[in-house]
Amino acid sequence: NAGVTQTPKFQVLKTGQSMTLQCAQDMNHNSMYWYRQDPGMGLRLIYYSASEGTTDKGEVPNGYNVSRLNKREFSLRLESAAPSQTSVYFCASSERGAYSNQPQHFGDGTRLSIL
Amino acid sequence: AQSVTQLGSHVSVSEGALVLLRCNYSSSVPPYLFWYVQYPNQGLQLLLKYTTGATLVKGINGFEAEFKKSETSFHLTKPSAHMSDAAEYFCAVSSGGAGSYQLTFGKGTKLSVIP
Repeated sequence: NAGVTQTPKFQVLKTGQSMTLQCAQDMNHNSMYWYRQDPGMGLRLIYYSASEGTTDKGEVPNGYNVSRLNKREFSLRLESAAPSQTSVYFCASSERGAYSNQPQHFGDGTRLSIL
Repeated sequence: AQSVTQLGSHVSVSEGALVLLRCNYSSSVPPYLFWYVQYPNQGLQLLLKYTTGATLVKGINGFEAEFKKSETSFHLTKPSAHMSDAAEYFCAVSSGGAGSYQLTFGKGTKLSVIP
């Protein structure tokens, strides 16, 4: 079982470059999420998609865009990368969101450095 | 709004000693509570969750947590630490109201196990 798959695992960018982080889940989950993890900050929600066709901003959306391509895939795009976006990015999915007792399942992360 | 506070960003215990990781939450509605574990260079894995019913919840790897509504706490314990328990642990809350799709995480507690 692959679960949640993120690509790439590592990436180095220069300031101003753009890139897309890919995420796919094979659990037929409705909801998908993008988080960033920074030392001492825990995980902070960037964007989420409660169901196919919908996306909403989380706690820290500035500088990012997302696309829910289909039920399986949820991508995160950095249009013009900034050093402050250096972080570890995690994609997660759950059967459903919204005050749910369903746990989220996480990918292994993308480690992104912006010079 | 919901929030999570984990007391102690770093906890050290001796192998075989009791593990106690503290988590307090705030929520305007009955919460769903989760503990996740993160091993180095990996994503988060669910340890256990509280939804409704029994307030003492057992999880994987010998961990358990007790939901105490009066204390708004959900502390994680394990009777005897093992070297393999060294990791970072995150408490998270899911509750209703504004931003109800969000799973709010604490900032994490890094557990070190001393041989």
